[in-house]
Amino acid sequence: DTGVSQNPRHKITKRGQNVTFRCDPISEHNRLYWYRQTLGQGPEFLTYFQNEAQLEKSRLLSDRFSAERPKGSFSTLEIQRTEQGDSAMYLCASTRRGQDYEQYFGPGTRLTVT
Amino acid sequence: DAKTTQPTSMDCAEGRAANLPCNHSTISGNEYVYWYRQIHSQGPQYIIHGLKNNETNEMASLIITEDRKSSTLILPHATLRDTAVYYCIVRLYNNAGNMLTFGGGTRLMVKP
Repeated sequence: DTGVSQNPRHKITKRGQNVTFRCDPISEHNRLYWYRQTLGQGPEFLTYFQNEAQLEKSRLLSDRFSAERPKGSFSTLEIQRTEQGDSAMYLCASTRRGQDYEQYFGPGTRLTVT
Repeated sequence: DAKTTQPTSMDCAEGRAANLPCNHSTISGNEYVYWYRQIHSQGPQYIIHGLKNNETNEMASLIITEDRKSSTLILPHATLRDTAVYYCIVRLYNNAGNMLTFGGGTRLMVKP
């Protein structure tokens, strides 16, 4: 396994701009999860995909947040009209079919909104 | 998901066993106990999980009390690389997606 990768690792943007983050899961992992982590807190679940289907999105923080996984491989998380409160680490994790108990996390994308 | 309570921080001497407690007194019968850790500037890492029997793998042992209201994660010979935040999570495990709820965790400092 080459591990879960996330790009970019760091993103600085001005308030009001749109940002998009990419997550490449481990090959053949069918589920993909997105979390957000603010300073000093544990990760907070946002959404997840099984293959290309987004099966849970009610925890996305607002309608400014959206995610896609168009071909069931990589995923993108987009934040529109960023606010300073969106500054956080955005983490992606993937799991192997039948082994959903073990989530493999990427290194995260740190977003700073100025 | 049942709520968990963990100490905010703990110290452990290098080479000694680290015993990290977790209280989950409201756990229901079909909820599992999971442990993850997060080393500074990295994503969380799965350690172990269990339902009611004690479990052991190459990283750690998980001891769950008979009433399942608490558990202990044991790192048998802690090293400096085990310094991390350790999260105890209780969640129902089924095929409907494993959306983990991380609390504040325990910050373990392994000291030389």
